Formats: sequence, structure tokens, C-alpha cells
Amino acid sequence: AQSVTQLDSQVPVFEEAPVELRCNYSSSVSVYLFWYVQYPNQGLQLLLKYLSGSTLVKGINGFEAEFNKSQTSFHLRKPSVHISDTAEYFCAVRGFGNEKLTFGTGTRLTIIP
Amino acid sequence: EPEVTQTPSHQVTQMGQEVILRCVPISNHLYFYWYRQILGQKVEFLVSFYNNEISEKSEIFDDQFSVERPDGSNFTLKIRSTKLEDSAMYFCASSENRLNTEAFFGQGTRLTVV
Repeated sequence: AQSVTQLDSQVPVFEEAPVELRCNYSSSVSVYLFWYVQYPNQGLQLLLKYLSGSTLVKGINGFEAEFNKSQTSFHLRKPSVHISDTAEYFCAVRGFGNEKLTFGTGTRLTIIP
Repeated sequence: EPEVTQTPSHQVTQMGQEVILRCVPISNHLYFYWYRQILGQKVEFLVSFYNNEISEKSEIFDDQFSVERPDGSNFTLKIRSTKLEDSAMYFCASSENRLNTEAFFGQGTRLTVV
């Protein structure tokens, strides 16, 4: 079984400042990792994914994340945020051989002008 | 760009009524999923479906739930007798294969049981 912890339920950040949204996971098997974004009143959109290979993955809208196996983390970063980044961000994990995604509780990113 | 589409976007139903939530997955995808998100809570897996049968389901997916692929394009979730606690956003998703690709999600159907 897998579990995901997103410790920060809300993160306020000034516009053009950097941001890091934290995600830790636990699993008894190797995993695939994902970040999804949910804009207000919309569905879930994939930001980026780690399936294999380089541990630093780049996604849409200038976001990137780094897979750290020893720390079981997959933190999401952006060097300079914009008002349009205001959304809920979900970290998700899928174990090798499993079909279902297990989601974290989400982090609400609020950009302060 | 291909996308998963869900209808309706919002459904209001009386407790005890049956509802059917509809989804059109991406055309070349083979794996289909339903997830739900109760307001203010995390997104939870309900069921996965492949080759016209359920491949995995969660404890939430009890006898009042069923899924079907009635034709080559639609994928439906039926709730037989709705309860107040079934009120949630229901997301359909699909993926190309089981193992090494991501799931694409629809916009969701907000189900309100009154």
C-alpha cells in the first residue's frame, strides 16, 4: 500500500517569489510519482510525472520536481510564481504493478500580489 | 488535444434515487477509472476497469456502485440508491496502459444529494 503526506495545507507566496510544495510518500514497492493541479472549479491537470530516469523532472508552467528516493520525497518547485498559479496542488503516487493513484490531501497555493 | 469529457457537470438528486455519471475517455486508452473528492477532502480511488471488467476497487465501492462500458466510447458510474454522503465531485480518468503512463482526468461531475 502507498500513502502520501503533504504537510502544508496552505502556502501563501508573494508574486515573483519562489515556492516549494512538499510531498513525502511511503510505499513497500517502487513507485511512480505525479503532481496534479486543480484550478478553481476545474478538474485535475497533470503538472509533471516521475516514471524513471533523471530524478529532476520538468513540467508545465515552469514547475519542476525532484525525486529523492532516500528521503522518499517529491517536492514541487517554481522559481518565480504568478497570480495564475493560484490553485490546489496534489501529489500522487502509484506503486509498480498497481493501477490506482493515491493522492495527498493537497496544498492550496495562494499568490499575493 | 484529446481529453476526457464528463457529463453532466453538476447533478442534483434526491436521496434514494439512482444516478448515472457519464464519461467519454480518450479514444485509444484502455484503462478507465473513477475517483471521488468529497468537499475539502483528498481525491480517493473508487474503481479501475479494463477489458470490460473491474480490475481493482476500493472499500468505498460497495454494492450500490457499478460501472459499465455500454458501447465503444462511454464509461459510466451508477449509484443505485444515493445517500447524503455520496455528495462529492466524481472524476473519471483514463490511461493508455496500466503501468508506465499517467492518468488523464476529466473535469468532474459535482453530485449533490439532497
